[in-house]
Amino acid sequence: RKEVEQDPGPFNVPEGATVAFNCTYSNSASQSFFWYRQDCRKEPKLLMSVYSSGNEDGRFTAQLNRASQYISLLIRDSKLSDSATYLCVVADYGGSQGNLIFGKGTKLSVKP
Amino acid sequence: DAGVIQSPRHEVTEMGQEVTLRCKPISGHDYLFWYRQTMMRGLELLIYFNNNVPIDDSGMPEDRFSAKMPNASFSNLKIQPSEPRDSAVYFCASSLSLRREQFFGPGTRLTVL
Repeated sequence: RKEVEQDPGPFNVPEGATVAFNCTYSNSASQSFFWYRQDCRKEPKLLMSVYSSGNEDGRFTAQLNRASQYISLLIRDSKLSDSATYLCVVADYGGSQGNLIFGKGTKLSVKP
Repeated sequence: DAGVIQSPRHEVTEMGQEVTLRCKPISGHDYLFWYRQTMMRGLELLIYFNNNVPIDDSGMPEDRFSAKMPNASFSNLKIQPSEPRDSAVYFCASSLSLRREQFFGPGTRLTVL
């Protein structure tokens, strides 16, 4: 079975801290990678896509290591509003078919 | 612009009853996905459609589950008969393509007593 593994946490950090999450995947043929954010009792929402060269969006940096088959998400200067569960998503495609797998998520709690 | 719409938002039913969950995707999105989320198993893909055609239903747990998409603006997921272990949050999502962002509906919280 193709798997996506994440540390479930929770990660409890103070405001302003830097926190990093990792996600490993088992299918070396995976083609696309994403981080989604899910607030308590809400639906998941796309946080950012993960590109091979790494990408940054404000305080968030995502990186991909294909050789080691892991994805990371770095949050700098964490805010109270960053408290949520972060889901790693790995996908591979063939024509109109694809296989999408969500990790179980890493819970982040930012404290004042 | 309306997002993905799901109904009902909450459903409480008794074991053995038929349950129907409904979804209206974002207009113009060719892909529609049904997910189930539980604490134990996380978010699981049940089935997805491309242009109203089911493409991959390998995630459907068993024959008690069925999903249809009669047109581009509507899909339903049925459970018959329902069992307590079906209790979960069921999400519908849509996207322009497999490689693009998926937009999720607010989910249906199902409780089977």
